[in-house]
Amino acid sequence: EAQVTQNPRYLITVTGKKLTVTCSQNMNHEYMSWYRQDPGLGLRQIYYSMNVEVTDKGDVPEGYKVSRKEKRNFPLILESPSPNQTSLYFCASSLNSLGTGNNYGYTFGSGTRLTVV
Amino acid sequence: AQSVTQLDSQVPVFEEAPVELRCNYSSSVSVYLFWYVQYPNQGLQLLLKYLSGSTLVESINGFEAEFNKSQTSFHLRKPSVHISDTAEYFCAVTNRSNDYKLSFGAGTTVTVRA
Repeated sequence: EAQVTQNPRYLITVTGKKLTVTCSQNMNHEYMSWYRQDPGLGLRQIYYSMNVEVTDKGDVPEGYKVSRKEKRNFPLILESPSPNQTSLYFCASSLNSLGTGNNYGYTFGSGTRLTVV
Repeated sequence: AQSVTQLDSQVPVFEEAPVELRCNYSSSVSVYLFWYVQYPNQGLQLLLKYLSGSTLVESINGFEAEFNKSQTSFHLRKPSVHISDTAEYFCAVTNRSNDYKLSFGAGTTVTVRA
């Protein structure tokens, strides 16, 4: 089954304790992206990657890191989490612009609900 | 840069009544437009999209949206809603030259009552 898999689904952590949220896709997509969802703000892009070893900042990158060493994986790293990073996080992947048509568009993971206390 | 405005944050509606969710976008270049749906405690699912061609696009579950370039809008409609349509709906836009960046609106919560 074609999907984007995030882990963990739920995470409670303490301020300053480094954590990693994993994301993996099995669709051979080139584009991958991380979003955070907060009430009244919709989804905001944190980081994106256009291909292996190519990453760039989205709209709200402060406090986050990413890496893209393999095409299928795009982990999100919080080196020193703070309470304002409490949010619902989504990983997503998409074919590149050459793949327009029925298969075009971002596919989202099920989300990771992070609480930082 | 592009942006999206969803004009209604909450839309209560009775079962079998019509519903319209409004979405306006801003972009200096040509765009692709999307509607995503998020059911309670779930991730986002693509509902429908406009890439090119006919300005009226439809989903398999009875929703439709019309791209209006002059009004920079992409409103979502359904002529008769069901209880199961209760969800949050997000309008999203990407510009054709930088389509790795998908920008979302703040979302519209639709609550369908019997």
